[in-house]
Formats: sequence, structure tokens, C-alpha cells
Amino acid sequence: DAKTTQPPSMDCAEGRAANLPCNHSTISGNEYVYWYRQIHSQGPQYIIHGLKNNETNEMASLIITEDRKSSTLILPHATLRDTAVYYCIVRGENNAGNMLTFGGGTRLMVKP
Amino acid sequence: DTGVSQDPRHKITKRGQNVTFRCDPISEHNRLYWYRQTLGQGPEFLTYFQNEAQLEKSRLLSDRFSAERPKGSFSTLEIQRTEQGDSAMYLCASSLVMPGSGELFFGEGSRLTVL
Repeated sequence: DAKTTQPPSMDCAEGRAANLPCNHSTISGNEYVYWYRQIHSQGPQYIIHGLKNNETNEMASLIITEDRKSSTLILPHATLRDTAVYYCIVRGENNAGNMLTFGGGTRLMVKP
Repeated sequence: DTGVSQDPRHKITKRGQNVTFRCDPISEHNRLYWYRQTLGQGPEFLTYFQNEAQLEKSRLLSDRFSAERPKGSFSTLEIQRTEQGDSAMYLCASSLVMPGSGELFFGEGSRLTVL
């Protein structure tokens, strides 16, 4: 699975959009981009995933560049409860076990 | 609650003692994963099961660690002769088999402190 690079930390004002970037320049054609988050003292929580097209669900939007070498997770109206570590993970169809390889993630601090 | 449950949530033990953690996955999920997370780091994969078969083990899983999933339902992770370096959060996750997809659902974790 391709490696990812994320900024170690970001701040966001409550009510504003949080845009979390992720670089995955070595991604291959059959690899998906996943986002999970981990709120303090809890297990990681699935947010969203995508292959080529942009995706949106009730939690967030995922924007993947046309060359697929980077992506952005967007939380449209961040709340204090969105303060967490956000992990961008690339996982391929050849990953038979569907394991996730976590990096350091981005620590998002939502401030009032 | 139909999520992944782990027990105990916290365990404090003395070096050299054995500890066992239990994970109850979401009932219809046939895959179960164990991860370890130390302070300030992302979770690290330890091992996973498909039904009762243990299909992969990380190099992190030393001989002192053993995991079982005897009937393809709950799983246990045992650490023998604990060391201070074993202090960590042990996370369990489950999923359905879905190539290329299949989100993992994590439990709240079992925090181990070895004195």
C-alpha cells in the first residue's frame, strides 16, 4: 500500500470548514483512499473512502485530485466534537487482509 | 450496543505477569483485527483472523503474544511475561470481507499499563 503524508497538526475555527490535506504520490490505480479519525481515548472511526471520484456522506466530503496523488478531507462546518486525530490511509485491492496501515495523522484542533 | 466491545478497558499489571484481553466483534463480521497503539503514535497492526483462522501476524507480535479466535466469534489476546514496553492501548476491530472496501469498526480499546 502506498504511503501518505499529512501535516502533523491544524487548527480550525468552530463553524468553519476544516480542510485536511493528504499526499499519496505513489498511489497506484487499484488503491483506495480512506479517512479515519480518532477522538481522544476512543478507537478509530471510519469517515469516508474513495477511488477516483469525489465522495460525500453525512460526515464529510473527500476530494481526490485528477492525478490521484493527493486528496483533501473536508468537514463543512467543524464543531468542537470534531477535535481529533485524522488519518489518511491508502489501501489496495491486493491487500488481501484489508489491513489498514496508520501513519501519524493530523491532529485537528477546533477552537471556539 | 451492537459495536465492537473490548474487556477490560484498563489493566494495570506488574512486570512478568500474564494478561489477557477479550474482543467481541460485531456479530456478522467474519474478520477480526488486533492493533497496538502507543502514546502519540498511530495504531500498529498485530494480527488478523478470518473466521477462526489466523491469517497474518506482524513482526511486532513476539513469541510472548498469542491470539485466538476459537469459534470464529470472540477473540482473546494474551501477553505472557509482560514487559514495560508492552504498555499500550490494544485495539480490536472487525469487518466484513469486501475486497478493496470493507471499513473496519474499532472498539474502544484495552489500555495496558505494566509497572
